[in-house]
Amino acid sequence: EVQLLESGGGLVQPGGSLRLSCAASGFTFSSYAMSWVRQAPEKGLEWVSVIGTSGGTTYYADSVEGRFTISRDSSKNTLYLQMDSLRAEDTAIYYCTKGMTFFDFWGQGTLVTVSS
Amino acid sequence: EIVMTQSPATLSVSPGERATLSCRASQSVSSNLAWYQQQPGQAPRLLMYGASSRAAGVPARFSGSGSGTEFTLTISSLQSEDLAVYYCQQYSYWPRTFGQGTKVEI
Repeated sequence: EVQLLESGGGLVQPGGSLRLSCAASGFTFSSYAMSWVRQAPEKGLEWVSVIGTSGGTTYYADSVEGRFTISRDSSKNTLYLQMDSLRAEDTAIYYCTKGMTFFDFWGQGTLVTVSS
Repeated sequence: EIVMTQSPATLSVSPGERATLSCRASQSVSSNLAWYQQQPGQAPRLLMYGASSRAAGVPARFSGSGSGTEFTLTISSLQSEDLAVYYCQQYSYWPRTFGQGTKVEI
């Protein structure tokens, strides 16, 4: 059974940093691209970033380019999202998802709140 | 960026009735279109990919159609557990983009 478990969310001040983690199990993590998708409170879904199988390919939404960094550690079956220079508009539930075209499995999400 | 537009915003349907949800892309995305279901308080779940292929475990009452810029998700006989917000998403271009969602009310 595929499982994706996010952690690392919380309350942070504007301009601060957070690192999200996603522990993956139930599939061969190193064989699949992984993505982050976020959802602001009472809003729709927004794709944030993707990383290829080897970690050498990454893409970002314009809204986070230059501030967020996606990475993976296949020895730990873990996906990361380093978030710097956080803004109020980054407040959202962040979902770890499997895939880079469509997203066939989703974690339960971790809430990031950016507020002073 | 490809803009995905869903209609209607809210759809009220009685149990057992047919529900038809629409999704339009601002330019052709071929058949690179997925649908997701998000039940209240839950993470989204993949329903359809390739515009018309059901994901594993998705009931046969869900079907998808379309290509290019016009797509449809049909729920043939609505069940109470189908109360949810439904999102379409294109994966022809970067960035991947979602529609704003259609809320299905029972």
